[in-house]
Amino acid sequence: GNSVTQMEGPVTLSEEAFLTINCTYTATGYPSLFWYVQYPGEGLQLLLKATKADDKGSNKGFEATYRKETTSFHLEKGSVQVSDSAVYFCALSDVDSNYQLIWGAGTKLIIKP
Amino acid sequence: DVKVTQSSRYLVKRTGEKVFLECVQDMDHENMFWYRQDPGLGLRLIYFSYDVKMKEKGDIPEGYSVSREKKERFSLILESASTNQTSMYLCAARGGPIHTEAFFGQGTRLTVV
Repeated sequence: GNSVTQMEGPVTLSEEAFLTINCTYTATGYPSLFWYVQYPGEGLQLLLKATKADDKGSNKGFEATYRKETTSFHLEKGSVQVSDSAVYFCALSDVDSNYQLIWGAGTKLIIKP
Repeated sequence: DVKVTQSSRYLVKRTGEKVFLECVQDMDHENMFWYRQDPGLGLRLIYFSYDVKMKEKGDIPEGYSVSREKKERFSLILESASTNQTSMYLCAARGGPIHTEAFFGQGTRLTVV
């Protein structure tokens, strides 16, 4: 079946550091891939997405590239800020997943000033 | 922007009470979902609905039921609240195609005492 694996957190970085949060997936078809962010006490909101291989999603300085050869969709940001502290979720959607999004476990990111 | 609104941000109920969590979307999305989120357990799907009066069990339906009488409204019902149902509850709405994103409400933090 379909699944998403994210690196475990928390990830703690200093302000202006480079960020990578790893995400790999297993899917039977050609999934769409998503990164969501959840700020403290809030619901989830879409950060970026990619719908086919080699697509790059980007938003708010974050980027992720859909790599079919390595079944990965790693999230990166060149210089993080304290305001990026949140929980980040990787997810996929596939024709086999019956309208649902398949979620990773989430990675908590803590940015220290 | 699609807006998903949950009726309460915070709720405190007593053990044994019947609890209703309401969710309303302002777009014409077919699919709606209820998740619960607990520390270390990520997002777990309770129920989802792909059309009016249609529902499917998710991963943890025990102790819950749902109602979808109108397309824009999806209600989660705790028939007899218990302390182990203390959690953050998240509602989401999503269109049909696999590349579409899900839109989340702000969450309801339910405490059962």
